[in-house]
Amino acid sequence: SSELTQDPAVSVALGQTVRITCQGDSLRSNYASWYQQKPGQAPVVVIYAKNNRPSGIPDRFSGSGSGNTASLTITGAQAEDEADYYCKSRDSSGNHPRVFGGGTKLTVL
Amino acid sequence: QVQLVQSGAEVKKPGASVRVSCKPSGYTFTDYHIQWVRQAPGQGLEWMGWIDPKSGGTNYAQKFQGRVTMTRDTSISTAYMELSRLTSDDTAVFYCARDLFDSSGPSWWFDPWGQGTLVTVSS
Repeated sequence: SSELTQDPAVSVALGQTVRITCQGDSLRSNYASWYQQKPGQAPVVVIYAKNNRPSGIPDRFSGSGSGNTASLTITGAQAEDEADYYCKSRDSSGNHPRVFGGGTKLTVL
Repeated sequence: QVQLVQSGAEVKKPGASVRVSCKPSGYTFTDYHIQWVRQAPGQGLEWMGWIDPKSGGTNYAQKFQGRVTMTRDTSISTAYMELSRLTSDDTAVFYCARDLFDSSGPSWWFDPWGQGTLVTVSS
């Protein structure tokens, strides 16, 4: 199956920890990458490979995964973390399409 | 620094075609695949396909096969995405992105992304 499932919306209190999850069969064969998108802006990768952050991404962002589930954790969420978050994987079938989750809208209260 | 610069917004009539360009800088153009992603207003990200700038090889999402053509011009280090037979459902922002790969996972990710090109389809 080439689907990734995310919760549509999650909220977190300022300074608290939040986990955003992504489920799909393709995650059994490769690591997810995670993208942050703020309104009117292009997506930006925040986590890739097992748990790697590009330069400039705060260390409060971390990634993990097991089986068919990948997670993005924000430890000590800040107001500027309010955004849409998308997971992405590479499907193992056919021509190996890339597949995105439906996105999670994170609200920081 | 690495960046991808896309062409400007377009307005097209239903049934027409649109071509969006993507010009990377800061790295060797032929070293990485270019991915294309569509985002309709208020909707999520949708993968369209990729092109290998070195060989010109392509891989399209099943949804867009027969309607999308990805090409490149290595002389000016530019990639193109052309979408034909446009309908109002194609009104969206189109992004290009560099495709990166780590064999240890493995893992594939897009970084960086272009600024996006808004294509509006309206009669």
